[in-house]
Amino acid sequence: DAGVIQSPRHEVTEMGQEVTLRCKPISGHDYLFWYRQTMMRGLELLIYFNNNVPIDDSGMPEDRFSAKMPNASFSTLKIQPSEPRDSAVYFCASREGPRAYGYTFGSGTRLTVV
Amino acid sequence: AQKVTQAQTEISVVEKEDVTLDCVYETRDTTYYLFWYKQPPSGELVFLIRRNSFDEQNEISGRYSWNFQKSTSSFNFTITASQVVDSAVYFCALRGNNRLAFGKGNQVVVIP
Repeated sequence: DAGVIQSPRHEVTEMGQEVTLRCKPISGHDYLFWYRQTMMRGLELLIYFNNNVPIDDSGMPEDRFSAKMPNASFSTLKIQPSEPRDSAVYFCASREGPRAYGYTFGSGTRLTVV
Repeated sequence: AQKVTQAQTEISVVEKEDVTLDCVYETRDTTYYLFWYKQPPSGELVFLIRRNSFDEQNEISGRYSWNFQKSTSSFNFTITASQVVDSAVYFCALRGNNRLAFGKGNQVVVIP
């Protein structure tokens, strides 16, 4: 299995632009999580999906952030418009089911908003 | 609410020394899971260990060992005979309600 695949690995964009981060979970995993890592706040959960349905989006910082999971093999995290304070590493993770223990993380997308 | 505290932010050790990373957690759940992850300079998150709340056995894996004490809500991690390749940020995490909550991490620097 190729693991959780995120793209792009690095993204540099100008303030005000729309940014879309992509994630392909491990096949067969029912849960998908988006995390953000910053120096100030550490690793924080933004949103998670179960069977493509958003379950908890309480960590999404503002309306500028949105996430979708149109099918079991693809999810996006969109920021529109982007701001410099959105600069962070964004991780996607997937998990097999409610009783599964392991979370597999992607390599992350390093976003820089200038 | 789940909370994980890793008090030591940066720890420097000389190669071959042992280093222990402290993790204290808070949860109201009776069943929960604890994890340690390693984040090397390349940035990915590498799973190291998972422990169930009902299994207090300590574990050793090579130079790594973990001490889980439910009575003090701690899940400490020791690297024995540290090596330069151990230089990384180590995160303790707690799973409850499908949410994996991370501590702020311990930056370990192993000096050759």
